[in-house]
Amino acid sequence: AQSVTQPDIHITVSEGASLELRCNYSYGATPYLFWYVQSPGQGLQLLLKYFSGDTLVQGIKGFEAEFKRSQSSFNLRKPSVHWSDAAEYFCAVALTGGFKTIFGAGTRLFVKA
Amino acid sequence: DTAVSQTPKYLVTQMGNDKSIKCEQNLGHDTMYWYKQDSKKFLKIMFSYNNKELIINETVPNRFSPKSPDKAHLNLHINSLELGDSAVYFCASSHGDTRTDTQYFGPGTRLTVL
Repeated sequence: AQSVTQPDIHITVSEGASLELRCNYSYGATPYLFWYVQSPGQGLQLLLKYFSGDTLVQGIKGFEAEFKRSQSSFNLRKPSVHWSDAAEYFCAVALTGGFKTIFGAGTRLFVKA
Repeated sequence: DTAVSQTPKYLVTQMGNDKSIKCEQNLGHDTMYWYKQDSKKFLKIMFSYNNKELIINETVPNRFSPKSPDKAHLNLHINSLELGDSAVYFCASSHGDTRTDTQYFGPGTRLTVL
């Protein structure tokens, strides 16, 4: 069955430190992968997506993610975290057929001064 | 201009009542969705509509009935509300195929059933 796993329920990093959020997927076909961010009380906003080509993709707000097929992973990274990055982050995979997306359980990012 | 809007933002009601949540997008998209986010932030798709036609119905109880009067609107009507329906409901839209087209989410409607 298709699934998305985000192993870390929450992560705390210091402002200015680097960040990596983990995501593993289980999907038999070509994965179409996404990272979304949800600020408190807000809807989700797309950070970046991958479906082909260069396995390192750049997104908005200085985020990047790397697709590793051998590890079934799509980890999100940022070299230097800002306090405004504190939010919930969701990894997702879009399924064949084009109208269904499965989301991971989310990772809550806390940023300390 | 808000791309995807939902009303109301908060909805508090008693068990057994019937309520509706409205969603509108002004992006000219052909596809709209309803998601449910539970108290643990788990986000699950409920329905997908493409050109006003139901494409995905994720084994949602038939107390939930989506209605798409036109491509810009997708409303969610819920009959006989239960405690377990308490959640945040998000509407979203995309141009078409979610594998390549960005989904835009509304701000959510927090439903509390007492």
